[in-house]
This record gives sequence, structure tokens and C-alpha cells, in this order.
Amino acid sequence: KAGVTQTPRYLIKTRGQQVTLSCSPISGHRSVSWYQQTPGQGLQFLFEYFSETQRNKGNFPGRFSGRQFSNSRSEMNVSTLELGDSALYLCASSSRNSGEKLFFGSGTQLSVL
Amino acid sequence: TQLLEQSPQFLSIQEGENLTVYCNSSSVFSSLQWYRQEPGEGPVLLVTVVTGGEVKKLKRLTFQFGDARKDSSLHITAAQPGDTGLYLCAGITGNQFYFGTGTSLTVIP
Repeated sequence: KAGVTQTPRYLIKTRGQQVTLSCSPISGHRSVSWYQQTPGQGLQFLFEYFSETQRNKGNFPGRFSGRQFSNSRSEMNVSTLELGDSALYLCASSSRNSGEKLFFGSGTQLSVL
Repeated sequence: TQLLEQSPQFLSIQEGENLTVYCNSSSVFSSLQWYRQEPGEGPVLLVTVVTGGEVKKLKRLTFQFGDARKDSSLHITAAQPGDTGLYLCAGITGNQFYFGTGTSLTVIP
């Protein structure tokens, strides 16, 4: 079974631009969560989608948004990028059969210049 | 916000030494997990503990869940260079995961 796939792996943007990151979960997994990881703040929860519906949301500004498609693939979008948005963005998928186990992708490293 | 604090934040030890990493919170969790993350990769689940006081062993790693289900510890015996990585604890309530601040471990050969 293929793991969680995130694209792209690396991204360089400038302030004010917007960016879209993609996540393909493990086949059969319907839940996709997004996290932001920085050295100073650790792993911060962004949002979780289940069956195309946002189920939970973290404390991030409205510039951060996401969606999930009918095939469970998910995208997150960040508009009007700020220097502080530079981080590793991780996606994790899970299923009812996997219990509370999260399967993480390798992440997208975003650098905002 | 349910905060999990890990200590120490950084740890550098020689191969063969023992170490303990702590994960503390003022909140009660239904279960707690430990993950290890290697550079350039996402975290990988090591263990889930569910019952207060529970102890689980995974080869040289021993995990304990506090009696009150608010804290946990990870003990590594005879550390090896392959144990190097970022160790993250995660408290779970309902379907919400709350990650700790992380402990970066370096094992020197």
C-alpha cells in the first residue's frame, strides 16, 4: 500500500503570493489532517477533513484554508504569504480501521522570502 | 488549548547510554502516543498507551503512561545512533491530537 504523498516537496515563494499544497492519503483513508511544523512552535494543528467536510480547525488566520475531494485527496491553500509562514507543512491520514493512528507524509518545506 | 511540554528539548548522548524523555500536561487524555521523526521525513508512530499506569516495551524503548493520564515518559536503554531523531508525544481527546514541543535526540557513535 502506498503511503501518504505530499507535493511538492519544496517550495519557494515571496511575500504576498499564494500557495497550494497537495496531499494524497493512503488508499481507503477518509480523514486528512494538516499540521504546520516550525522549530520554535513544534507541530501546530491546522485543520482536519473527513468525507469532504472540515471536521476540526486549529487557531490559524483565515489566510489558511483547505478542502478535500471525493477521492479523499486534500489541498491546503495559503494566501498573502508572510515570512512567518515558512515552515514544514505535514499532512496525515487515518481511517476508522487504523484507530487513532496517524500516517504522515514527508511534508512540503515552504520558504517565504 | 491543551499544552504538552516535553523535556529536555535537546539531548546529546554517547552510544550505549540510557536516557529518559518526559511529556507533561495539566490535561487528561484518553490516550497518548509517541512518534519519532527523522530529518526530511514525517513523524512515525512508535506506540499508543491507553490505560493510566500502563507500561509498554518496544525492544530497547519503554513507554509509561502516568496514573492520572496527564503525563508520559519514554526510556531508551543502550542508545544507538539509529535512535537519533525528534521524539514527539501526542495526547488524544476525542478525535483531536495535541502534539508536544518535541525532544531532539542525537546519539554520538
